[in-house]
Amino acid sequence: SQQGEEDPQALSIQEGENATMNCSYKTSINNLQWYRQNSGRGLVHLILIRSNEREKHSGRLRVTLDTSKKSSSLLITASRAADTASYFCATDSPSGTYKYIFGTGTRLKVLA
Amino acid sequence: DGGITQSPKYLFRKEGQNVTLSCEQNLNHDAMYWYRQDPGQGLRLIYYSQIVNDFQKGDIAEGYSVSREKKESFPLTVTSAQKNPTAFYLCASIYRGGAFFGQGTRLTVV
Repeated sequence: SQQGEEDPQALSIQEGENATMNCSYKTSINNLQWYRQNSGRGLVHLILIRSNEREKHSGRLRVTLDTSKKSSSLLITASRAADTASYFCATDSPSGTYKYIFGTGTRLKVLA
Repeated sequence: DGGITQSPKYLFRKEGQNVTLSCEQNLNHDAMYWYRQDPGQGLRLIYYSQIVNDFQKGDIAEGYSVSREKKESFPLTVTSAQKNPTAFYLCASIYRGGAFFGQGTRLTVV
């Protein structure tokens, strides 16, 4: 089954720095989404980018999508300690069944 | 408030016992999903349901069962056939724009 794989697995940065994490996937997609998970909690939807889009912004988040390379990146600018969490990408199937496949996540730690 | 409610938050199961995890949504979404998450890992799909009275196996369905008698409810039963059930279980309802997740149930075998 198609699966997103995030890179790096873990990232530690200082507050105020930018954090970049990447996601690669295997098959064609309808859209790609990024989620955030605080420790021991459910996932929260951050942003969705459609297969015909190349870049999308939401506040301090910037997502890019390169369908030719089957990859996406999530940039968090001016990071804060509260951004400490795991970040997952998810892809859905073009078949329209809403079967979302999640990657293994990037654990981000922002040091104050 | 609209959302997904999972209960209980913590659940302890004895060896050989079946337990049922509850998942309720008031978002009027057709599709609901169950995922399993092990420590430091991603989410693996257990079962999903696109519509009432219909559901499909995901990647790791063995030892689990579900029902979808109502649009709002998608309970997951962890049976005694599941040999390693200790994990964090997440329920989600899916719509075209993404997924809403519950806060999860942490199941521990004692």
